[in-house]
Parts: sequence; C-alpha cells; structure tokens
Amino acid sequence: RKEVEQDPGPFNVPEGATVAFNCTYSNSASQSFFWYRQDCRKEPKLLMSVYSSGNEDGRFTAQLNRASQYISLLIRDSKLSDSATYLCVVNNLGHGSSNTGKLIFGQGTTLQVKP
Amino acid sequence: DGGITQSPKYLFRKEGQNVTLSCEQNLNHDAMYWYRQDPGQGLRLIYYSQIVNDFQKGDIAEGYSVSREKKESFPLTVTSAQKNPTAFYLCASWDRGQHNEQFFGPGTRLTVL
Repeated sequence: RKEVEQDPGPFNVPEGATVAFNCTYSNSASQSFFWYRQDCRKEPKLLMSVYSSGNEDGRFTAQLNRASQYISLLIRDSKLSDSATYLCVVNNLGHGSSNTGKLIFGQGTTLQVKP
Repeated sequence: DGGITQSPKYLFRKEGQNVTLSCEQNLNHDAMYWYRQDPGQGLRLIYYSQIVNDFQKGDIAEGYSVSREKKESFPLTVTSAQKNPTAFYLCASWDRGQHNEQFFGPGTRLTVL
C-alpha cells in the first residue's frame, strides 16, 4: 500500500464548477500536510498547507481528518487556469529539530477545467 | 531574485555514460533534496542533505551519487549503474521556518538514448 494515495483522475469539470479531491495517508503519526500544484512539465509549487482546523485561501479550502487519515481540497468556482495536477504531500516528522524535511508525495490528481 | 536553478533543462545521454545535474540555490536554506518523477507518478526521493558535507540516501538512491561541498550547491550524478535513468529530476530546498515549505527548481528532463 502506498503511504499517500490519491485518485489520479482526470477530473473533467466545466468552468464555475466546484470540485473536491481526497487523499489518504497510511502513517497515523504524520504531522504536516500540504497540497502542491504542478503544471504540465513544470515543478511543483506549494498551494497551501493543511491544518487540523481546516484552512481557506480564496476559492480553495483544505481539510484534515486525522481520525480517518484523509486530507481534502475543495476548489470553488473553477477557472480554466486551475487546470493542473494537485499533489497531496505528507511530512511524518513534524516541526521539531528531528524533522529532516522529507516529504512523501501522492501520485497526484489531474484536473481539467473546460470552457 | 532568490530561488533555485537547475541546469541543463534537457539532457540527453548515451547508455553507459555518467552525467551530472546541477542544482544551485540562493535562499540560504540548509537542507536540499533530489527527487525523481516518472510519468503519472509522484515524486520519489533520491538523496537529501541537511547541511554542508553531509547527505543521506533517500528511497531510490541506487545508481546515483551526490556531493554537498557548498551550502548553495547540491549536484546529482546519474551513473551508468542506474537501470532506468530517463525521468524528470527535481531539486528542492527547504524552509524550516514558518511555512515549512519546500521550494523546487524548474527541473532537468533526462533522456537516455
């Protein structure tokens, strides 16, 4: 079983739609969670960190459910420019001095927003 | 502008040749990482370095080597022992601070002919 699992998609949605991605992780001791965005043939870029209390950044909302070990990303009012691959990322070592910064990546979920 | 640079962007090599990928950062980050990405897959960690003159193997280190002689530089050598070297290689550095974010370079696409 992969440590971080995502539905690869693709998710094909019309402009203006709301779309949600889920991601599950296997290590219950995981400490930090992120969503990265990767455009075709480009490097990943941090979209948002995911906190236990949930967090929102404009049209994007991230939620963490530790009991069920899943992370979600909700995109409202989808734009053509949202088309990309969204990577679910986990750090198992938290914020202490023992944290090596090692990240574990899911394979990504591809979103295509159509006009 | 602060950031991470990787060169070259595209690289072609013949089987049996070693090749070195460059990674430079001016973000003053201590930690640096090398990942490999294959089509339709997530990133897999090759090597990482927490500090100058120190580095550790990641999940798929076989056939690769690194050095960390300067804080700014973390070159990766893909040796002839790497069985399937064709891939997209990404270098990253880590901001241990508030955002706990890894910053990535633009990547090098290596093709073995």
